[in-house]
Amino acid sequence: GAVVSQHPSRVICKSGTSVKIECRSLDFQATTMFWYRQFPKKSLMLMATSNEGSKATYEQGVEKDKFLINHASLTLSTLTVTSAHPEDSSFYICSATLRGGAEAFFGQGTRLTVV
Amino acid sequence: EDQVTQSPEALRLQEGESSSLNCSYTVSGLRGLFWYRQDPGKGPEFLFTLYSAGEEKEKERLKATLTKKESFLHITAPKPEDSATYLCAVQASNTNAGKSTFGDGTTLTVKP
Repeated sequence: GAVVSQHPSRVICKSGTSVKIECRSLDFQATTMFWYRQFPKKSLMLMATSNEGSKATYEQGVEKDKFLINHASLTLSTLTVTSAHPEDSSFYICSATLRGGAEAFFGQGTRLTVV
Repeated sequence: EDQVTQSPEALRLQEGESSSLNCSYTVSGLRGLFWYRQDPGKGPEFLFTLYSAGEEKEKERLKATLTKKESFLHITAPKPEDSATYLCAVQASNTNAGKSTFGDGTTLTVKP
């Protein structure tokens, strides 16, 4: 299967600061990537669809000014959590599809803790 | 609105004790139904894609089946290393390929 790499795997930041999470497709080009958030013992909640070269599409209820998404190349999408607060602490996961197909491959996730 | 419901929420088995996990779904046109395995602190690992009712797929001790309303993940003679959370997801045909709606998962524990 295709490989999606996410970095960092864990990050702790102070309240009020911003954190950037990277999602890379290592062996394929991904015109579309997806960002999810997962709460403990809960499923993945789609936050936004990241499109290369254009603005991201956010799901209802997700603050686009707080969760900035940039998809500058066919292999890299970034999620920046701006002015982070403790309630933003969560597990963030990205995914990408191969050649626009349906099968999505996931990164290893980023555990964000805001203190 | 697309919905995915998985049951049971948790399942404890003895090694070698076969069982099935259920995924019930409603979707406005199914592009595909997906099964993933997720270990604690990790991203989901792709297992299977099913596209149409009647389809079946197998991989080692796992077999996935699909009907028009639900999917089953059958685990035959499980081993402790099969312990994980199993996630089911659907994609609607009228959305971006790759955009998935997930169930809450079934956490499987296999005791030796």
